[in-house]
Amino acid sequence: GAVVSQHPSRVICKSGTSVKIECRSLDFQATTMFWYRQFPKQSLMLMATSNEGSKATYEQGVEKDKFLINHASLTLSTLTVTSAHPEDSSFYICSAPPTGTSGYTFGSGTRLTVV
Amino acid sequence: GQQVMQIPQYQHVQEGEDFTTYCNSSTTLSNIQWYKQRPGGHPVFLIQLVKSGEVKKQKRLTFQFGEAKKNSSLHITATQTTDVGTYFCAIDRGSTLGRLYFGRGTQLTVWP
Repeated sequence: GAVVSQHPSRVICKSGTSVKIECRSLDFQATTMFWYRQFPKQSLMLMATSNEGSKATYEQGVEKDKFLINHASLTLSTLTVTSAHPEDSSFYICSAPPTGTSGYTFGSGTRLTVV
Repeated sequence: GQQVMQIPQYQHVQEGEDFTTYCNSSTTLSNIQWYKQRPGGHPVFLIQLVKSGEVKKQKRLTFQFGEAKKNSSLHITATQTTDVGTYFCAIDRGSTLGRLYFGRGTQLTVWP
């Protein structure tokens, strides 16, 4: 089945620095990718939709300048958390649309800790 | 956009007992999906329900979609410790596929 590879799985960064998270579709092409954020003990919240060759679409309340999304190719989408602060510490997960009758395939997630 | 309410938030059962989680919407849904997330892991797709009154089974798991397509349930028969995790229902928001709205999830704990 479809596989989405997300890297890194865990990152600790200092407050004020930027962190880039990569999401790759390994055995299929994805013109669209979705980025979610999940705080501890909470549900997944959709942050934005990345579109290959065009600007990302952000959900209401998500800061575009803080969470930079780039869909560089049909197999790579990146999320950059700029000027990270402790409140940005969370579990970030990407997903790709379904292929066939399967549901959305999720990356393994990136646990970001900002200190 | 559409939303879905999921209950209960937590469920603790003894191994061998049954478990059910419910999702309800005030509006008619085009489809509903169910995911399982193990502690520390990522969501894994379980199933998608599309048809009114649909019932699907996967071994000990039974998924139902209501006749009015406004509610759904996931039932696990004779839980095992491997069933531990959080179960989420999810729906597509609006007309754009892929923008999933997740229920708050039901965290299942199974005592041996």
